[in-house]
Amino acid sequence: NAGVTQTPKFQVLKTGQSMTLQCAQDMNHEYMSWYRQDPGMGLRLIHYSVGAGITDQGEVPNGYNVSRSTTEDFPLRLLSAAPSQTSVYFCASRDGTVQYFGPGTRLTVT
Amino acid sequence: KQEVTQIPAALSVPEGENLVLNCSFTDSAIYNLQWFRQDPGKGLTSLLLIQSSQREQTSGRLNASLDKSSGRSTLYIAASQPGDSATYLCAVSDSNYQLIWGAGTKLIIKP
Repeated sequence: NAGVTQTPKFQVLKTGQSMTLQCAQDMNHEYMSWYRQDPGMGLRLIHYSVGAGITDQGEVPNGYNVSRSTTEDFPLRLLSAAPSQTSVYFCASRDGTVQYFGPGTRLTVT
Repeated sequence: KQEVTQIPAALSVPEGENLVLNCSFTDSAIYNLQWFRQDPGKGLTSLLLIQSSQREQTSGRLNASLDKSSGRSTLYIAASQPGDSATYLCAVSDSNYQLIWGAGTKLIIKP
């Protein structure tokens, strides 16, 4: 099993650009989520999904969009990047109460 | 609103020492508490999970305790090693399994 994979590992965007962060898992987990991690703060939940076709907002959803067309994939879209979205983004999937995390994407918006 | 605090933010100790990392939370109505390890440039790895009905969990040199009434958890690391250097995060879960995270303690073990 590859577990949870994320691409890209690093990305630099200009303000106003859009992009998609990719996340995939091969463990057949129904629950997947996206977090952002900022210095001095805990991880914050952006969006989550409890299964294909079902998504919901987390604590900080503004400026982000998600979809879940398959069990395996859960992409995160930045619609119009802003400097405040500079962060490290983690995707996770969950089996019961155990969460499995991807390696993260470090995003810088200039 | 649930808040999770970890103190200290950073800790440096000599190899071989036993140490304790602290985690506190404001709302005792939690489903479980988890401790994670984060290595630079890598994802998070779950270390220990304590259900709300449990008092402690152990895995190797790690022991985590939970006191719901006081809103506190500790992660005890015995006989620390340089390989234990990492950031340790705690997170509490509500009944919907949503996690609320602390900011972490960055641990450095000096050889």
